[in-house]
Amino acid sequence: QLRLQESGPGLVKPSETLSLTCSVSGGSVSSSNYFWGWIRQPPGKGLEWIGSIYYAGSTYYSPSLKSRVTISVDTSKNQFSLRLSSVTAADTAVYYCARRGNWNYAFDIWGQGTMVTISS
Amino acid sequence: QSVLTQPPSASGTPGQRVTISCSGSSSNIGSNTVNWYQQLPGTAPKLLIYSDYQRPSGVPDRFSGSKSGTSASLAISGLQSEDEADYYCAAWDDSLNGWVFGGGTKLTVL
Repeated sequence: QLRLQESGPGLVKPSETLSLTCSVSGGSVSSSNYFWGWIRQPPGKGLEWIGSIYYAGSTYYSPSLKSRVTISVDTSKNQFSLRLSSVTAADTAVYYCARRGNWNYAFDIWGQGTMVTISS
Repeated sequence: QSVLTQPPSASGTPGQRVTISCSGSSSNIGSNTVNWYQQLPGTAPKLLIYSDYQRPSGVPDRFSGSKSGTSASLAISGLQSEDEADYYCAAWDDSLNGWVFGGGTKLTVL
């Protein structure tokens, strides 16, 4: 059973860079059958897609975040990562990593999420 | 303001049938499939419906999805108390070249 686990600092200062990692267990991030994505949810609000990556390196980013986002994959560690620069309080959210199937075009497995607060 | 429009709330009594709508445009729902996610309180979203009407293994057939033009719907029949959750629709948007979500619908079982 594939599992995803987010990790990273729970508190980041304004203007700094948020960095999170999603560790994949029970499966391979190198599978050609999936994309891997990041989705966030501000407190009390809805879901927002941040971006997705394919194991070979192809990336897609939300137009509203594109200038600040970098998603990368490390096949040797079986994980993928998110970097969001110049953060503000508006970036405070629960950040989820998820797997997107190439056959169902849906985020079918999600991590439990990690809360990141932007505050000095 | 979400690209996909959902009613903020819905409600029903146990055993009842409820539907949740999701309205989009030609660049998202009108040209791509729709997925639905269920988010129970304090938990991560769970895939409920994919490709407009397909159910992943383990999802009860009480949940069904449909689509017509630029709108989609999620129907829940035989409503149960454990169905109380937030429900989100999602689709790929060709104009934005990215995934878009609805604002979510909070379902209350009275």
